[in-house]
Amino acid sequence: DTGVSQNPRHKITKRGQNVTFRCDPISEHNRLYWYRQTLGQGPEFLTYFQNEAQLEKSRLLSDRFSAERPKGSFSTLEIQRTEQGDSAMYLCASSLPLGGQETQYFGPGTRLLVL
Amino acid sequence: QKEVEQNSGPLSVPEGAIASLNCTYSDRGSQSFFWYRQYSGKSPELIMSIYSNGDKEDGRFTAQLNKASQYVSLLIRDSQPSDSATYLCAVKPGGGADGLTFGKGTHLIIQP
Repeated sequence: DTGVSQNPRHKITKRGQNVTFRCDPISEHNRLYWYRQTLGQGPEFLTYFQNEAQLEKSRLLSDRFSAERPKGSFSTLEIQRTEQGDSAMYLCASSLPLGGQETQYFGPGTRLLVL
Repeated sequence: QKEVEQNSGPLSVPEGAIASLNCTYSDRGSQSFFWYRQYSGKSPELIMSIYSNGDKEDGRFTAQLNKASQYVSLLIRDSQPSDSATYLCAVKPGGGADGLTFGKGTHLIIQP
């Protein structure tokens, strides 16, 4: 069990550019979540997958954001036409629900700065 | 709007004392409750999960849940300087939603 991994760890981009982040969940975890965290705030839920199906999306997830988990393993989060307000830490978490209980484990995050 | 409220602090506690962190939530249908610790610049790390009313102990940590009062707390006994961090309360809302709702976190400082 190597934990949740995310790449890149840091990304600096110019406004208007597209960026893509990758998350590799804990092996055998069938659920994968994306959150966004800004300074002084708790993480905010964006979307989640059960296996390859995207089951829930927050209103925070504008049309510029898209997420995929094509084979039910790793996931990507793409932001098109980035804006300065997109600057944040993007966190991925994974889980394996058992017996009605579920614990989400977070990766190290990708810190995005939009100039 | 389903909310999770925490006192942002900072909460300053002497080394060796008990730190008490509190959290209230608005969604009465919530069933799962979590405490995460987050060091500056790092990602959240799970400390405790609690699903039923009462106390749950794990080492120096005790989580307390009172669903009638919509209240969750975390006690840290024998506080150490390494416990200095932001503590995030997270709630899984009811109604079939699966994403966690987080509070803003309480900044805890353990004074040596």
